Amino acid sequence: DVKVTQSSRYLVKRTGEKVFLECVQDMDHENMFWYRQDPGLGLRLIYFSYDVKMKEKGDIPEGYSVSREKKERFSLILESASTNQTSMYLCASSLDRGYTEAFFGQGTRLTVV
Amino acid sequence: DAKTTQPNSMESNEEEPVHLPCNHSTISGTDYIHWYRQLPSQGPEYVIHGLTSNVNNRMASLAIAEDRKSSTLILHRATLRDAAVYYCILNFYNQGGKLIFGQGTELSVKP
Repeated sequence: DVKVTQSSRYLVKRTGEKVFLECVQDMDHENMFWYRQDPGLGLRLIYFSYDVKMKEKGDIPEGYSVSREKKERFSLILESASTNQTSMYLCASSLDRGYTEAFFGQGTRLTVV
Repeated sequence: DAKTTQPNSMESNEEEPVHLPCNHSTISGTDYIHWYRQLPSQGPEYVIHGLTSNVNNRMASLAIAEDRKSSTLILHRATLRDAAVYYCILNFYNQGGKLIFGQGTELSVKP
């Protein structure tokens, strides 16, 4: 079975801290995605990557950056965490574009205080 | 980016079929139609996808309109475990497979 693993299930950080959210997939997938999910707003795409060292902005990239140095790992970075970044963060991966399914991790509930 | 439109919520009775509609009037020729569902406190899980033809798998069926501007996810016999938020999304083939989610339909199933 494909597994997408997010490093933490719950995280509490202080305003202004630099925060790293890690995601690892074990099936040699090309594409990886970071979403945030907020009540009433659904899942919103932050960034995605279709290859190592390649990244594309999603709908809400402001305040975030990403890193993909290895195919299996996609990191989401909050350079200076703010309270409005308190959210559920979901990572996903897919083998290729268009016709393949995406697999999601269990999510990281981040609280910025 | 082309977007999808779904009803906010739907109700069904257990063991009855459920038809979940989705409009995607600005879909382009290379965009795949995907359906995912999200159970409470879990990440979304894949249900089914298609491009032009209707599709069946063990979970559901996907009926795609001839002009591709709408589609319908069909659960043949709803169970209580099917209560979830169902997302109809487009997979943008020409944008590297970008997946953009809409608001989804919250399906409740009554015993």
